[in-house]
Amino acid sequence: TQLLEQSPQFLSIQEGENLTVYCNSSSVFSSLQWYRQEPGEGPVLLVTVVTGGEVKKLKRLTFQFGDARKDSSLHITAAQPGDTGLYLCAGASGGTSYGKLTFGQGTILTVHP
Amino acid sequence: DAGVIQSPRHEVTEMGQEVTLRCKLISGHNSLFWYRQTMMRGLELLIYFNNNVPIDDSGMPEDRFSAKMPNASFSTLKIQPSEPRDSAVYFCASSLLGARTQYFGPGTRLLVL
Repeated sequence: TQLLEQSPQFLSIQEGENLTVYCNSSSVFSSLQWYRQEPGEGPVLLVTVVTGGEVKKLKRLTFQFGDARKDSSLHITAAQPGDTGLYLCAGASGGTSYGKLTFGQGTILTVHP
Repeated sequence: DAGVIQSPRHEVTEMGQEVTLRCKLISGHNSLFWYRQTMMRGLELLIYFNNNVPIDDSGMPEDRFSAKMPNASFSTLKIQPSEPRDSAVYFCASSLLGARTQYFGPGTRLLVL
């Protein structure tokens, strides 16, 4: 069974601060995704990283896939209250299980004005 | 364009009752995923279909759970009989076959008393 461990579970910061969320596994994934979920809604895809060492930027968000494709990080610069939400990482196995995602437990981020 | 549609959005029932959750895929999508989300266990994949065919149901908790795709655009998840430990938010997601992006519905919040 593939597991993804996310840390921290909870993060409460002030507007303008920087933060990093980590997603780690002992398993190799063919790709890794980050989702953001707001209360009462389903997760929404932010980014997919595929290549080991890949870095993608989405405005103030920077996503990195580890060289060995076992871990990933999400860094937010100058956090804003609108960034508040549940952040989930999800790994795809590939092969015959293509499409099947394993999700981390999530990080609940609260950004205070 | 309409996204994934789930009904009902909220369901409150008593232990032992049958519960049916419904999901309409995005038009043209041919992969369907059912997930369950709880605080304790996070977001778990229950079952997924490709072209109406169940591919992996290893996440289905037990025989009380069953899922079907009577046609290419619609799916049901049935729990019979329901138990209090089934209380959770149930999401369905759809995608194009082989695509990495899954589009989640708004979820059904189920409470079994």
